[in-house]
Amino acid sequence: QLVLTQSPSASASLGASVKLTCTLSSGHSTYAIAWHQQQPGKGPRYLMKLNSDGSHTKGDGIPDRFSGSSSGAERYLTISSLQPEDEGHYYCQTWGTGIRVFGGGTRVTVL
Amino acid sequence: EGQVLESGGGLVKSGGSLRLSCAASGFTFSDFSMNWVRQAPGKDLEWVSSISKSSRHIYYADSVKGRFTISRDNAENSLYLHMNSLRAEDTAVYYCVREERWPNGAFEIWGQGTRVTVSS
Repeated sequence: QLVLTQSPSASASLGASVKLTCTLSSGHSTYAIAWHQQQPGKGPRYLMKLNSDGSHTKGDGIPDRFSGSSSGAERYLTISSLQPEDEGHYYCQTWGTGIRVFGGGTRVTVL
Repeated sequence: EGQVLESGGGLVKSGGSLRLSCAASGFTFSDFSMNWVRQAPGKDLEWVSSISKSSRHIYYADSVKGRFTISRDNAENSLYLHMNSLRAEDTAVYYCVREERWPNGAFEIWGQGTRVTVSS
């Protein structure tokens, strides 16, 4: 079964970095994922697609502060130089034949 | 890059029906698979349904299978979601989402959402 697992929360100080993790279920370690941001009270926004080799393609207008990397079944989103507007929820998403899946989301707090 | 705009949400009684619409612009609609995603109040994102660019392949989440029907009109650049036998747990903001070009399924373009409230 295709499942994505995310930690519920993460926090870091203003100007620091935070690294979020999305873990693919057993047997799906080669899958690509996408990262999406949802700021409070807003709809989601596509950040990037992240492949198993760590290569990634960002959406239009996504700052360089957002980057992705991969290791085995884990997919990471690193946000550098944290800004107040980076607070919100971050969801990973993947796909297979006949199914689209979201992780449970990570709530990011900027201290 | 393009955009999508949902409409049709509102308040409906349990057991009732509703049709959501999504108008696409700024891209060749017929080249892309489309999806509906929902988010219940205070909850996480939930994929609802997907339709391929030619409507040949249609998929549903188990939670809506048999009650919801996705469709599209490529001539009108429009996506639809027909919702029947609505339940309180269908209360959510519904988002129209465009995927990357097949075979990739990253959700690239999100609408602003339309709110559906099902009263018991």
